[in-house]
Amino acid sequence: VTLLEQNPRWRLVPRGQAVNLRCILKNSQYPWMSWYQQDLQKQLQWLFTLRSPGDKEVKSLPGADYLATRVTDTELRLQVANMSQGRTLYCTCSATTGGGQDTQYFGPGTRLLVL
Amino acid sequence: TQTVSQSDAHVTVFEGDSVELRCNYSYGGSIYLSWYIQHHGRGLQFLLKYYSGNPVVQGVNGFEAEFSKSDSSFHLRKASVHWSDSAVYFCAASRSSGSWQLIFGSGTQLTVMP
Repeated sequence: VTLLEQNPRWRLVPRGQAVNLRCILKNSQYPWMSWYQQDLQKQLQWLFTLRSPGDKEVKSLPGADYLATRVTDTELRLQVANMSQGRTLYCTCSATTGGGQDTQYFGPGTRLLVL
Repeated sequence: TQTVSQSDAHVTVFEGDSVELRCNYSYGGSIYLSWYIQHHGRGLQFLLKYYSGNPVVQGVNGFEAEFSKSDSSFHLRKASVHWSDSAVYFCAASRSSGSWQLIFGSGTQLTVMP
């Protein structure tokens, strides 16, 4: 059974345009949801962990700006903006039941290519 | 600062061979270690995890990993690989208390030749 769904699965992003990603949780027993990002050929990097509806966080990293929102108990969103031209980015969400000892399960991910 | 390193970017073996994928970590406190597999075009799938007890951990599809505190390592092994094991393997670490942040290694591309 799939725990996490993500959409879109891939997107061509015109330079200067922001993109909105969704992550849908299928089992509310895994309420701690996170976003990770990965540049092509580089390491997966944690971005955010949001637990409660209404939680929001922003982060600026080299090559992109991020805004994460926990919309509901089952939906997590990520807005990616100001991406560098020619960049390929992979964003994936995860979910876990609780603390560091609990397994994190990942969604299928979204691939972004900036034109 | 917590770091995870995977020294081999690419490993190529033949079907039926044994394989060991290496992972080393640096962290001063209690730590949880995991391995994930990512097939091309798909999301990360959990393989196994160590957090205490027996240092040899069994995972899915015949994989196992051994934790060594003295070597700061958590190497992944399989006795006999199949072509379907071809994928990227990621080692990951997290602090033992109150942290959801996984620190990933850079990944090892395993290619199994027929």
